[in-house]
Amino acid sequence: DQQVKQNSPSLSVQEGRISILNCDYTNSMFDYFLWYKKYPAEGPTFLISISSIKDKNEDGRFTVFLNKSAKHLSLHIVPSQPGDSAVYFCAASHFGNEKLTFGTGTRLTIIP
Amino acid sequence: SQTIHQWPATLVQPVGSPLSLECTVEGTSNPNLYWYRQAAGRGLQLLFYSVGIGQISSEVPQNLSASRPQDRQFILSSKKLLLSDSGFYLCAWNKGTVSYEQYFGPGTRLTVT
Repeated sequence: DQQVKQNSPSLSVQEGRISILNCDYTNSMFDYFLWYKKYPAEGPTFLISISSIKDKNEDGRFTVFLNKSAKHLSLHIVPSQPGDSAVYFCAASHFGNEKLTFGTGTRLTIIP
Repeated sequence: SQTIHQWPATLVQPVGSPLSLECTVEGTSNPNLYWYRQAAGRGLQLLFYSVGIGQISSEVPQNLSASRPQDRQFILSSKKLLLSDSGFYLCAWNKGTVSYEQYFGPGTRLTVT
């Protein structure tokens, strides 16, 4: 049962444009959401997170939007840069849960 | 600041051989510790997690085991490796009572031949 889904395995975006990565979840108990970035042969690095009491969180070029009614979140990267090429994982958790549930990842390629 | 170490970085082992991967965290105390595996082209699968010394929770029945002999040390083991154990193994930590964010180590690439 895949509780966190990233339906786009890959995405290509022109440098300087906006990258939008999407994530859907099914577990209504999830109240905290995170995005991670992963380069090949390295561990994932934490990018940005959002609590369910918010619908938007911004950090520099990265913005995460949460639509609780649709059980959907998205990560916007503006402007996209070549160093943003990586695999992006969406993850979710809820209060009292020591674990994160990860999506299967989206490979973002920024085209120079 | 906190640092997480994993070793070895790469490992090639024959089928049926034992395995021991080690993870240590510096700069924090009583962290939650996690072992994940990323198989080729797949997402992150949680294998084990630990909220304290000697406390291990297993997520997936498999050929692997985990131990936490010290507060900041987490070991992943197998008595006999299978071909399907090949993958990229990641250790992570967090301060479970403070935040949800987990911080990952550099990973170990295991190839079983």
